[in-house]
Amino acid sequence: DVVMTQTPVSLPVSLGGQASISCRSSQSLVHSNGNTYLHWYLQKPGQSPQLLIYRVSNRFSGVPDRFSGSGSGTDFTLKISRVEPEDLGDYYCLQSTHFPRTFGGGTKLELK
Amino acid sequence: QIQLVQSGPELKKPGESVKISCKASGYTFTNYGMYWVKQAPGQGLQYMGWINTETGKPTYADDFKGRFVFFLETSASTAYLQINNLKNEDMATYFCASGTLFDYWGQGVMVTVSS
Repeated sequence: DVVMTQTPVSLPVSLGGQASISCRSSQSLVHSNGNTYLHWYLQKPGQSPQLLIYRVSNRFSGVPDRFSGSGSGTDFTLKISRVEPEDLGDYYCLQSTHFPRTFGGGTKLELK
Repeated sequence: QIQLVQSGPELKKPGESVKISCKASGYTFTNYGMYWVKQAPGQGLQYMGWINTETGKPTYADDFKGRFVFFLETSASTAYLQINNLKNEDMATYFCASGTLFDYWGQGVMVTVSS
């Protein structure tokens, strides 16, 4: 199985500041079709996860441009600029290149 | 709009079975597979597997082979997760998710296992 290592586990931030979350995979996430199926989700307290970024760098519908994704191969990053209160929660990466799909362990974005 | 609506919370004893439903609306049910995800209390997301909604074929992640069953009622656009012989470690919230990007999620079902 592909192991997804997400860091840090906890990320204290100030409102208006910037946050960066890393996700590393144990093998390349480049599919045989050339696409890379690495996605990012935010789970707010008491809610279901919601898709933020799909295929490394594409913002899902309605996601503000404060969120950006980058990376390739096995190394990926989610950046959040100008952090707002509604950005707080748990962030997860997910790979859907390989079966079984696997999630990163999560990063809790919280106020400093 | 696309919605996945799951059944309500469950309280079960060890050794019992539980059946959780996930009703899809707003799209053609057989267009997307249905995934199942477990979240134990205070823990992260764990992929359980998926069911092909066209063929009904389930595929289970290794940790979920044996006591876990995915099945469909296609005429009702509904997917089910059944857990047999419940154990304490099955106590969790179970989500269904669909779409090619896991872009649609149910609200989750909390299963409590207590004697």
